[in-house]
Amino acid sequence: AAGVIQSPRHLIKEKRETATLKCYPIPRHDTVYWYQQGPGQDPQFLISFYEKMQSDKGSIPDRFSAQQFSDYHSELNMSSLELGDSALYFCASSPPGSGGYHEQYFGPGTRLTVT
Amino acid sequence: ILNVEQSPQSLHVQEGDSTNFTCSFPSSNFYALHWYRWETAKSPEALFVMTLNGDEKKKGRISATLNTKEGYSYLYIKGSQPEDSATYLCASPYNNNDMRFGAGTRLTVKP
Repeated sequence: AAGVIQSPRHLIKEKRETATLKCYPIPRHDTVYWYQQGPGQDPQFLISFYEKMQSDKGSIPDRFSAQQFSDYHSELNMSSLELGDSALYFCASSPPGSGGYHEQYFGPGTRLTVT
Repeated sequence: ILNVEQSPQSLHVQEGDSTNFTCSFPSSNFYALHWYRWETAKSPEALFVMTLNGDEKKKGRISATLNTKEGYSYLYIKGSQPEDSATYLCASPYNNNDMRFGAGTRLTVKP
């Protein structure tokens, strides 16, 4: 069965650079979530999209932005990268319906290292 | 309780032992309680989504119960196997989408 695809899987950037992470949800899933997991930390919710509209916002820094496109894939854009942005970034998708009640299917994550 | 909390933080059991751990969550404005299994170097795998007080769900040797009035859920593993070794996360949507995760319980099952 198709799963959530994230690209790239690994990314190394320098401080103050920008990065773009991509997420391709499971086909027919209309909700996408982004999470950040720092070293030794719980996953932190960043932002979610439902039907191409931002549906909820968590602890996403102002330097980050995201959007969901017409094909439901999502991109997380990160600018002015800081060392503390080094983390594993997970994307998850869930099927049509009320987001909180549905299982989220997670992608493999993108490991971002900022040097 | 304002956050999702899990206990214990880690657990070591012998193969064949049954075990359980706890997830506590805000009982007000409850939407759902999710359990995930997370193995090292892999992405979280959904185990259960529970919404009703008194709900009990089962998948193989793993089961979970839910008490929304007092704000806790138990995850049980019967006859633990080494392949059950993983971090078990619970999460509850703060609102309909903003999922708040606990810190997880790291289970190690020794052969």
